[in-house]
Amino acid sequence: DAKTTQPPSMDCAEGRAANLPCNHSTISGNEYVYWYRQIHSQGPQYIIHGLKNNETNEMASLIITEDRKSSTLILPHATLRDTAVYYCIVRVGAADMGRRALTFGSGTRLQVQP
Amino acid sequence: GAVVSQHPSWVICKSGTSVKIECRSLDFQATTMFWYRQFPKQSLMLMATSNEGSKATYEQGVEKDKFLINHASLTLSTLTVTSAHPEDSSFYICSARGGAVGGTEAFFGQGTRLTVV
Repeated sequence: DAKTTQPPSMDCAEGRAANLPCNHSTISGNEYVYWYRQIHSQGPQYIIHGLKNNETNEMASLIITEDRKSSTLILPHATLRDTAVYYCIVRVGAADMGRRALTFGSGTRLQVQP
Repeated sequence: GAVVSQHPSWVICKSGTSVKIECRSLDFQATTMFWYRQFPKQSLMLMATSNEGSKATYEQGVEKDKFLINHASLTLSTLTVTSAHPEDSSFYICSARGGAVGGTEAFFGQGTRLTVV
């Protein structure tokens, strides 16, 4: 799986958009970008994933650059409950998810300020 | 979405005793489950891969005789920490993605905080 680089921490004001960057310059053509988050003392929660097109769901938007070497997770209106560690993970093929575990890096600790 | 449930959420045990943690997939069948461990202020580290009906695969440095894994059915995997010591105190998390589920994401239990005194 390609290595990812994320800033260790970020702050965001409540109600504003939180933009979390992730660099994955060694990503391969068949690797997806996944985002998970972990609220304190809970298990990780799936947020969103994508291959090359931008994606949006009820939780967030994922913007992947054209060269796929970086991506940004956007929480459009951050709330205090979005305070968590956010993990960007790159791995091959969705079908492989059942056979190999996810590898977690250090992630970005997002603190939403009131 | 699919739900993975862990039990107990937290447990305190005496040094030298054994503790069993259960991981259940509530609405799907999981042929493979994964067990992670997370120490304070650190990321999740994979301990082992639990395969239904066969032996678990352990990561390097994880003692298989200390961390017993049983995956006897498609909805249940158990992790038993044997002869627990204070250094085993950690946050244990399981994960699963069933072969029959249409989604492409892995689901995680809520975690079990083990404290060995």
